[in-house]
Amino acid sequence: GNSVTQMEGPVTLSEEAFLTINCTYTATGYPSLFWYVQYPGEGLQLLLKATKADDKGSNKGFEATYRKETTSFHLEKGSVQVSDSAVYFCALRTFYGQNFVFGPGTRLSVLP
Amino acid sequence: NAGVMQNPRHLVRRRGQEARLRCSPMKGHSHVYWYRQLPEEGLKFMVYLQKENIIDESGMPKERFSAEFPKEGPSILRIQQVVRGDSAAYFCASSPRNFTEAFFGQGTRLTVV
Repeated sequence: GNSVTQMEGPVTLSEEAFLTINCTYTATGYPSLFWYVQYPGEGLQLLLKATKADDKGSNKGFEATYRKETTSFHLEKGSVQVSDSAVYFCALRTFYGQNFVFGPGTRLSVLP
Repeated sequence: NAGVMQNPRHLVRRRGQEARLRCSPMKGHSHVYWYRQLPEEGLKFMVYLQKENIIDESGMPKERFSAEFPKEGPSILRIQQVVRGDSAAYFCASSPRNFTEAFFGQGTRLTVV
């Protein structure tokens, strides 16, 4: 079946540090890949996406590259801010499955 | 274009009562998904619906839970005879067609007392 694995949290960083949150997946077919972010007390917001191999999604300084050979979609940001503190979810969707499959989420805390 | 609207935002029910959670998808979206999130946990898929059809309900408990997405009106997630373990945040998402991103509502936080 389809599944998404993310690095365990919580991740605690100082402001302006470099961020990497690892995400790997198992899927039938060729999935689209997504990163969603959830701020406290809110729903999930789409952060970025990639629909085919070698695509790079980017938004608000965050980036992730669809790596088919390693079945990965790691999230990176060069310099985090306190306002980036949130829970980050990696997700995939395949045409055949049609449903979205989410990873367990990684909580990020950025300290001033 | 309004986003995905869920109501109520907060719902308190006594054990044994019924809970009805509503989700109005974004305009033009015909696909609706329901997820449950327990405190400090990830999202657990419940059900995927298109207008008047249940596409995938593999994540829905077999008893007490039901969902619908009628031709007109919002999608409804119904939980009968609620128990304390049903306390969670329930999120609805919608998308316009296959293979695109989903947009989430703010969620309904159900508390069973």
